[in-house]
Amino acid sequence: DGGITQSPKYLFRKEGQNVTLSCEQNLNHDAMYWYRQDPGQGLRLIYYSQIVNDFQKGDIAEGYSVSREKKESFPLTVTSAQKNPTAFYLCASSIDGGPVGEQFFGPGTRLTVL
Amino acid sequence: KNEVEQSPQNLTAQEGEFITINCSYSVGISALHWLQQHPGGGIVSLFMLSSGKKKHGRLIATINIQEKHSSLHITASHPRDSAVYICAHPETSGSRLTFGEGTQLTVNP
Repeated sequence: DGGITQSPKYLFRKEGQNVTLSCEQNLNHDAMYWYRQDPGQGLRLIYYSQIVNDFQKGDIAEGYSVSREKKESFPLTVTSAQKNPTAFYLCASSIDGGPVGEQFFGPGTRLTVL
Repeated sequence: KNEVEQSPQNLTAQEGEFITINCSYSVGISALHWLQQHPGGGIVSLFMLSSGKKKHGRLIATINIQEKHSSLHITASHPRDSAVYICAHPETSGSRLTFGEGTQLTVNP
């Protein structure tokens, strides 16, 4: 079955530690996205990548880093510089970065920093 | 100010009722997306439309490009329809979406 996987579903980390969230897709999509969602709020874009080896900052990129070395993978690292990292993180992909691209979402990772 | 405004913010209905969720936007767009976020957090794409109307089961989405307005209707609502419904549209650059804040729908049995 084609789709997007994120792991783990729940993640706990101590303050000050970097943590990497996994996002893998086997849909052969060019574009991938990382969103953050806080309780009762909408989705905010962290980073996106329209093609392998290229990515752009979204609205809230500070304290995060990404890489896009392979088409199917777009890991997100939450660094210790992110002041309030506890949130729900969603990864998405679309066929390309064009204006009418339908986005497919992963199940999300709920990160709690203790 | 968010470029995408959804109303209502919260909606409670009884099973069987007809539901309407509205979405207004301020810029010319090429397409509008309706998404559903389940209580567990997963998001699925319901519709992507650029004109007229689309129907899938009990869900109907309409869009009026001139009025910059879209509606999502649910007929014969059911408790399993309880979710957050989000509308979104591509930004002018085309490479990312602008999201509404979402409408929390609760359907009681």
